[in-house]
Amino acid sequence: DQQVKQNSPSLSVQEGRISILNCDYTNSMFDYFLWYKKYPAEGPTFLISISSIKDKNEDGRFTVFLNKSAKHLSLHIVPSQPGDSAVYFCAARGGNQFYFGTGTSLTVIP
Amino acid sequence: DTGVSQDPRHKITKRGQNVTFRCDPISEHNRLYWYRQTLGQGPEFLTYFQNEAQLEKSRLLSDRFSAERPKGSFSTLEIQRTEQGDSAMYLCASSPMGRGAYNEQFFGPGTRLTVL
Repeated sequence: DQQVKQNSPSLSVQEGRISILNCDYTNSMFDYFLWYKKYPAEGPTFLISISSIKDKNEDGRFTVFLNKSAKHLSLHIVPSQPGDSAVYFCAARGGNQFYFGTGTSLTVIP
Repeated sequence: DTGVSQDPRHKITKRGQNVTFRCDPISEHNRLYWYRQTLGQGPEFLTYFQNEAQLEKSRLLSDRFSAERPKGSFSTLEIQRTEQGDSAMYLCASSPMGRGAYNEQFFGPGTRLTVL
């Protein structure tokens, strides 16, 4: 039972353009959402998070948007850089557990 | 570097053998998590410690799996009578106590287990 879903396994974007990664969840009790970036042979690295009481959080080139009514969150990267090429996971907190999506592989083309 | 470390990085074993993995979290972090990740999937929660207390275990965690954190510092994950389906990357993560920072988990590089 996948409570957090990332329906796009991959995304390619030109350098300088916006990357938009999407995530859907099913459990309305999730109270915190996070995005992680993962390079091959490394563990995930925290990127940005958002509380369920907010609808937007921004950190430099990264912005996360939360639409609670749609149970949807998205990560915007502007402008995209080749170093952003990685697998991105969204995660949601429910109690003491964190539920991860299956990841989206982002490729930024120079 | 004082990040999360895991040992070993790779483990190959035969079906039926027992294996044990170690995780050393960031020293001031009192929360510790174990996850399993298979190809094409995201990390799947296994268990959670706050200090030495194991506060939550996934219902998916079979009784062949056991985890400890005896002094609230490092943790071990043991898999008994390994099966080929146990082949995966086992990730450890830690986070500090406190509001805000609580939610950011720092992951180790993982231990890749292959069961032949």
